[in-house]
Amino acid sequence: IAGITQAPTSQILAAGRRMTLRCTQDMRHNAMYWYRQDLGLGLRLIHYSNTAGTTGKGEVPDGYSVSRANTDDFPLTLASAVPSQTSVYFCASSERNTGELFFGEGSRLTVL
Amino acid sequence: GQNIDQPTEMTATEGAIVQINCTYQTSGFNGLFWYQQHAGEAPTFLSYNVLDGLEEKGRFSSFLSRSKGYSYLLLKELQMKDSASYLCAVRDSNYQLIWGAGTKLIIKP
Repeated sequence: IAGITQAPTSQILAAGRRMTLRCTQDMRHNAMYWYRQDLGLGLRLIHYSNTAGTTGKGEVPDGYSVSRANTDDFPLTLASAVPSQTSVYFCASSERNTGELFFGEGSRLTVL
Repeated sequence: GQNIDQPTEMTATEGAIVQINCTYQTSGFNGLFWYQQHAGEAPTFLSYNVLDGLEEKGRFSSFLSRSKGYSYLLLKELQMKDSASYLCAVRDSNYQLIWGAGTKLIIKP
């Protein structure tokens, strides 16, 4: 089934540890995004990539990094996790012109 | 600053009609989206408006007034499965989506 796959689904992490959330899409979409969703707040953009080889900072990029080596993969790395990074993380993709986002199932991260 | 406002929570009865409002103030406007998100799941696309007026898609309709910075999502013949959060998002002049916090819709029998 075509779509976006995220891993892990859920993770508990000690503060200070490094963590990479994986995201893979098979729709050949140019644009990919990482959002975090916290209770009472809207989805907030962390980083995005309009095409393979390019990335950009979103609204809340501090403490996170991304890479886009190819069209399909867009991993999100927390270099040294902190409790405020406890959240649900969604990866999404789109064909830039339409703007409709397709979301992965989310990764629930808890930093203790 | 950029801002999207929508009610936090609404309650409606199965079979009835409900209107979820969204007002926005953004840097530029390149379309407004509505997404549905069931608890514990990912958001899924419902509708897109870029011109003023009403877009109808089955039981769901979405309205846009760009001059008023206003949109609503109208859900008819409510079903229990419509219990979800409804997210309003506006694409700004940089083609980035600005999201509202979402409206949690509770459907009662």
